[in-house]
Order: sequence, then structure tokens, then C-alpha cells
Amino acid sequence: GAGVSQSPSNKVTEKGKDVELRCDPISGHTALYWYRQSLGQGLEFLIYFQGNSAPDKSGLPSDRFSAERTGGSVSTLTIQRTQQEDSAVYLCASSLVVGQGYNEQFFGPGTRLTVL
Amino acid sequence: RKEVEQDPGPFNVPEGATVAFNCTYSNSASQSFFWYRQDCRKEPKLLMSVYSSGNEDGRFTAQLNRASQYISLLIRDSKLSDSATYLCVVNRNNDMRFGAGTRLTVKP
Repeated sequence: GAGVSQSPSNKVTEKGKDVELRCDPISGHTALYWYRQSLGQGLEFLIYFQGNSAPDKSGLPSDRFSAERTGGSVSTLTIQRTQQEDSAVYLCASSLVVGQGYNEQFFGPGTRLTVL
Repeated sequence: RKEVEQDPGPFNVPEGATVAFNCTYSNSASQSFFWYRQDCRKEPKLLMSVYSSGNEDGRFTAQLNRASQYISLLIRDSKLSDSATYLCVVNRNNDMRFGAGTRLTVKP
């Protein structure tokens, strides 16, 4: 079946513009995660959605970042007034939650964001 | 302090060598543990889960010490294709936190 998909694959924008990044999780996966990864760095947790629960937004670096997950499926990460330090690869992952502990994450290919 | 800490490396080893990576985590309520592998410019993919009793998958052995909040990954008889970044992952209530990764380069 289809894996996690993300769009666009690459986005170049000017400082101060808003951007929207999209994630289509694997069908049936109730958990969805957003991370960002700067060049040569590890994954920085941004936000986590689980079913109908309130999202865990504890990783969002500033109020310029927000995310939605409509209908428990597709998610959009929005960055307002982009800054050069926002340049990174934004990765989305989804997982099928089966009890505790079994929750392999499947990652999308990422969106490479460059802010000029 | 980061929730999950790893030695960033890089580890440069010859083919056939045995190499070990370590990881520590700060949240004692963490429930499950994983190693992911990330190739250059690719997304991370699950390598193996880490069980309390330790587990092995071919040339890969994972160990967990809950008392010390420490996880390890051992790679035996390393291959060129093992070159990648290895990410330690800690889960609590399906909230997955990643370490920054340890880079491994296996050389001929």
C-alpha cells in the first residue's frame, strides 16, 4: 500500500512569507508526527496528533508554527513569516497505535524548506 | 539536557569490525525503545526494537538497561552498506523522541 506522502518535496521561499507543508499519512494510522531536521542534525520533535485527542504542541519552536489535522487524516504544518533559521527538512511520520509500545513510525520523504 | 542523548560520532571503521553505539534517556517513564537507521538524504526507517531482555537480529544486537536508562546497539562484521546514521528512539505514550544520531562510516 501507499506510504506516507508529503508535499511539496522542495520549497524555496523568501523571508517573511508564509508556507504550508502537507502530510498524507498511511491510511488507518491514528498517530501523526511532525519533525524537522537541520543539515547534519537529528530530528527535532515539533507536534504529535493522536486520534481525537488534543495535539501535543510542546515541540513547536515559536507561535509562528502551527499545525492542523483534518478529519484525523491529512495534516498541514504552517509556518508564518518564515525566517532563515526555519530552513530544514520537515519530516512527517505516522504510526498505527496498538496498545502500548508497538508503534513503528513510518516516515514520509520530507519537505526541504529553504528560506532565502 | 536533551531527552535522548547519543554520541554523534562519526565512527569510521573498517569492514568486518564490530562497533557499538550508546544512548541514554532522561525520562524514567519511557516505555519502549527503538533503533532507526537514516541513510544520507533519506527518511529514517526502523532498524529494530529494543527489548528488556536484549535482542538480536542477524549481525545487530540491541540491549536495554532500564536502571541506568541506557540503550546500546552492537553491529558485528560490519558491511559497507551499514554506513548510515543510527538514531536512538524512546517512546512514552506514543510520543516518540529521537536522539541526534550517531554517524557510522564503514570503509573497505
